[in-house]
Amino acid sequence: AQTVTQSQPEMSVQEAETVTLSCTYDTSESNYYLFWYKQPPSRQMILVIRQEAYKQQNATENRFSVNFQKAAKSFSLKISDSQLGDTAMYFCAFGGAQKLVFGQGTRLTINP
Amino acid sequence: DAMVIQNPRYQVTQFGKPVTLSCSQTLNHNVMYWYQQKSSQAPKLLFHYYDKDFNNEADTPDNFQSRRPNTSFCFLDIRSPGLGDAAMYLCATSRGRGGGITDEQYFGPGTRLTVT
Repeated sequence: AQTVTQSQPEMSVQEAETVTLSCTYDTSESNYYLFWYKQPPSRQMILVIRQEAYKQQNATENRFSVNFQKAAKSFSLKISDSQLGDTAMYFCAFGGAQKLVFGQGTRLTINP
Repeated sequence: DAMVIQNPRYQVTQFGKPVTLSCSQTLNHNVMYWYQQKSSQAPKLLFHYYDKDFNNEADTPDNFQSRRPNTSFCFLDIRSPGLGDAAMYLCATSRGRGGGITDEQYFGPGTRLTVT
């Protein structure tokens, strides 16, 4: 079974700083996708960024980028120029043949 | 705007009293999911529908049932809620094959269930 591990339960940074959230996963599948979802307080979960495992190039979406290390089974999220609106719970998720498996989440707080 | 809607946002029920949570979508997606999310934990998949094809997770208690009468609506029935069923219940949709391995999942705002 796939597992997803987020080793940082909570993080806090100042506005405009860069922050990196860690995620590792374990799988025997060769074809899969990885996701970062954001769940703001009292609001619905939304997709931040997605990475196809067969692509070597790291995905980027504006201020959000990933560092995908397939051999190491690592998938970290970097948020540049952090904003107050980035305050949320961030979940790393693995999409394989069966279902989406979420990590335990990292609660990120951006301080003014 | 196209979206995933969950009603009610907050639901209080008594121990053992059946409760139904509803989800509707205007995205015309094939797949609908129900997740249970307890405080500060990851969402846990309960089951999903690909069209009318129901897929139950092996560890989903029998106490939880689901219905999907049409493409737009999906219901979560908890037959005899226990205190341990208090949680946020998230509905999500995706375009593609059940399991949503490649497709983005679109989430509703959730229903917070309290069991007294």
